[in-house]
Amino acid sequence: DVKVTQSSRYLVKRTGEKVFLECVQDMDHENMFWYRQDPGLGLRLIYFSYDVKMKEKGDIPEGYSVSREKKERFSLILESASTNQTSMYLCASSSSGRNYNEQFFGPGTRLTVL
Amino acid sequence: RKEVEQDPGPFNVPEGATVAFNCTYSNSASQSFFWYRQDCRKEPKLLMSVYSSGNEDGRFTAQLNRASQYISLLIRDSKLSDSATYLCVVKDGGTASKLTFGTGTRLQVTL
Repeated sequence: DVKVTQSSRYLVKRTGEKVFLECVQDMDHENMFWYRQDPGLGLRLIYFSYDVKMKEKGDIPEGYSVSREKKERFSLILESASTNQTSMYLCASSSSGRNYNEQFFGPGTRLTVL
Repeated sequence: RKEVEQDPGPFNVPEGATVAFNCTYSNSASQSFFWYRQDCRKEPKLLMSVYSSGNEDGRFTAQLNRASQYISLLIRDSKLSDSATYLCVVKDGGTASKLTFGTGTRLQVTL
């Protein structure tokens, strides 16, 4: 059974703090993704990675960075948190291949920035 | 214009009813189409893929109309457990696994 875990379910931070969100998958998936989900806007892709040490910007990368030092782990970093980064953050992973491979999501981290 | 558009609902239907959701997408080069389901306060999970010829999985039927850039999901004999948000998802012809999600349609099935 595929499992994607995220370091925290709920997180409260102050404006200007550096925030780390961690994601770990146990299925040896090549691809990993970070999304944020906001009411009325749906899931929006922040960053993704196809391999260790590789990263690509998604649709809304501003204010975020990522790190993938190991295949199973993909970290999202908010260098200086702002109130407009209050959101639900979802990590996902999928295997590689020519055809579509299902994305499996973690349970999400609800981040509040005060 | 949003890349993937859905009616947010909510659709309130009684148990046993048939309900249909629609979705339109803007990129004519989109290659693959899916419906994901998201329960309240849970993560999205793949419900079914959508094939050009249409496909069925039990009480669920998905249809694709490439000419109109339109996808649909039909749920027959609705159950209370079908209450969830249904996300229309599109994969373009480029990057292997990058997906674009609609904002979702909320379904509430009542007794």
